[in-house]
Amino acid sequence: TQLLEQSPQFLSIQEGENLTVYCNSSSVFSSLQWYRQEPGEGPVLLVTVVTGGEVKKLKRLTFQFGDARKDSSLHITAAQPGDTGLYLCAGVAGGGADGLTFGKGTHLIIQP
Amino acid sequence: GAVVSQHPSRVICKSGTSVKIECRSLDFQATTMFWYRQFPKQSLMLMATSNEGSKATYEQGVEKDKFLINHASLTLSTLTVTSAHPEDSSFYICSAITQGGTANYGYTFGSGTRLTVV
Repeated sequence: TQLLEQSPQFLSIQEGENLTVYCNSSSVFSSLQWYRQEPGEGPVLLVTVVTGGEVKKLKRLTFQFGDARKDSSLHITAAQPGDTGLYLCAGVAGGGADGLTFGKGTHLIIQP
Repeated sequence: GAVVSQHPSRVICKSGTSVKIECRSLDFQATTMFWYRQFPKQSLMLMATSNEGSKATYEQGVEKDKFLINHASLTLSTLTVTSAHPEDSSFYICSAITQGGTANYGYTFGSGTRLTVV
C-alpha cells in the first residue's frame, strides 16, 4: 500500500505570509495531484505534476514534484483569507485507471 | 468542463435501513468511477473502483456485501449502503476519470453525500 505523508496537518497564519505544504512518500508515483476542498463539497483539482523536478505555478501557488517523483510541495506566496481551506495531495500509482491515494490533508486558515 | 453529479447531497436514515447514492457523469462517458469515504477532519479514503459492466474492486477492509456498487451504464454508478449503522455515517464522494492516457488524465469529483445514520 502506498502512503502519502502530508504536513503540516493544520496551519494558521496571518494574511500576507508565505507557507509551504509538503507531501512525502517512500513510493514512486506516476503523477501527483493537488486538490482544494471546501466543507461539504468534493475536492477540486488545482494541478497535476507528472515529470520529476517539474514546477507549475498557479497565480500565487507554486507546485513542485520531486526529482524522484516521491514527494511534492505546495508553496503559497502572500496568503490571502480566500486561500483558507483543506488542501489535499493525491498520488497516482499506475497508468491512470487507479484510484487516488490521498494525503491526510492540510487545514489552512489565513487570518485577516 | 467535465461534471460529475452526485445525489443526494444529504441523507438521514434509520439504523438498519439501506441508502442508495447515485453518481452520474453529465457530459462524458465514465468507464471507471471511484467511491471514497471521508470522516470529519480526515482525508479521503478509497473504498472501491467501479467498472462499467463488471464487478467493482474493493479496497482492503471494505465490506463488499455492505457497500454494494452497481455501474450498469457508462454514465451512472450507484453505491448502496445496506443495513446502515451509525458508524457508517460519513461523507461519501465519487469521482470519474475524464480522460484517457497515462499522463494527461483528470479525476472529476462529485459534490459528495453526507450520510447520517440515526
